[in-house]
Amino acid sequence: QKEVEQNSGPLSVPEGAIASLNCTYSDRGSQSFFWYRQYSGKSPELIMSIYSNGDKEDGRFTAQLNKASQYVSLLIRDSQPSDSATYLCAVRNMNRDDKIIFGKGTRLHILP
Amino acid sequence: DAGVTQSPTHLIKTRGQQVTLRCSPKSGHDTVSWYQQALGQGPQFIFQYYEEEERQRGNFPDRFSGHQFPNYSSELNVNALLLGDSALYLCASKKGQGATGELFFGEGSRLTVL
Repeated sequence: QKEVEQNSGPLSVPEGAIASLNCTYSDRGSQSFFWYRQYSGKSPELIMSIYSNGDKEDGRFTAQLNKASQYVSLLIRDSQPSDSATYLCAVRNMNRDDKIIFGKGTRLHILP
Repeated sequence: DAGVTQSPTHLIKTRGQQVTLRCSPKSGHDTVSWYQQALGQGPQFIFQYYEEEERQRGNFPDRFSGHQFPNYSSELNVNALLLGDSALYLCASKKGQGATGELFFGEGSRLTVL
């Protein structure tokens, strides 16, 4: 079982709709969870971090964490063409080590 | 505020050669991690340096080695290059061990091995 799993996509969403990206992780002791956005040919850019169960909102982005289900999600409201990118989910277990482990990413395509 | 800087941005090597990639962390950061990202894959953790020592290592052979200098900058060395080493090599920095752990990435060094 891979440590961090994401659907590779592509996920196609009409402009203005809500994009929902999902991630599951295998290490139950993980405490820190991150979403990075990566445009083609560019480096990952941190867009959200979440550390406790529930929702965390930042502008059009909402991260959701459910540790019991080992599930993290990212919602993007009012999707824009500029949101088209690969979204990487990453997790960290500070008690085990200090590595941040990434999933393979989900490609998101916003349809104009 | 300078972010994470990496050099070179692109380079081409042939099989069997050696390569050195360089990284300067974001101002105020002292921990540097290196990742390898193959096309269509997520970043794979190579190793992390803190206080000039390798603290964590991923599943990479000994051909991959590194160093951290007193000014927190870092180098990644890869010996005996293989075709499969062709990838984007990303340096990421953060402040301290055991902190919130938010990594900030440089723009990467794209290595092509022919």
